Amino acid sequence: EAGVVQSPRYKIIEKKQPVAFWCNPISGHNTLYWYRQNLGQGPELLIRYENEEAVDDSQLPKDRFSAERLKGVDSTLKIQPAELGDSAVYLCASSLGGTQYFGPGTRLLVL
Amino acid sequence: SQQGEEDPQALSIQEGENATMNCSYKTSINNLQWYRQNSGRGLVHLILIRSNEREKHSGRLRVTLDTSKKSSSLLITASRAADTASYFCAAQGYSTLTFGKGTMLLVSP
Repeated sequence: EAGVVQSPRYKIIEKKQPVAFWCNPISGHNTLYWYRQNLGQGPELLIRYENEEAVDDSQLPKDRFSAERLKGVDSTLKIQPAELGDSAVYLCASSLGGTQYFGPGTRLLVL
Repeated sequence: SQQGEEDPQALSIQEGENATMNCSYKTSINNLQWYRQNSGRGLVHLILIRSNEREKHSGRLRVTLDTSKKSSSLLITASRAADTASYFCAAQGYSTLTFGKGTMLLVSP
């Protein structure tokens, strides 16, 4: 069974540019999570979806970050405009009410 | 905000030795989980211990949980070079998983 798929794996952009990350969860997993992991830190939750509904987005910086999960499957996380401090690894995870399974992440560098 | 705090921040041992990592958390939990992250890769779930459990084993892994002290420990026995990674504890309340900063483990051949 395929795991959580994320793309791109790496992204380098200049500040003020937009960027988008894509996640395809494990088939059948109704819960999808986006985390941000800064260097030397553990992941921090940005948003959690139950099917297509965002049920916890309290940590998502809504002035520049947006996310969507159309049809309750794939999800996209967008940053516009990106700032230097957004450089981090963005991890997607999915679950079926239990253990969370993580994708390999997208490493973002904002110059 | 990070709920779990691992100790030590970094640990260097020889192959065959045991490695012990500790984790403290702040609020009530349903369970406590440990994850491993190799350099440049995603997190891999290792083991979950529920709040009503005190000890759990899985292969070379042994996890303890002390809810009165809000702490947990992960013991890796007979370590191998392939165990080199960062290890994170994650405290789960109702649904949210809150990670600590991690312990970097280096196992030398």
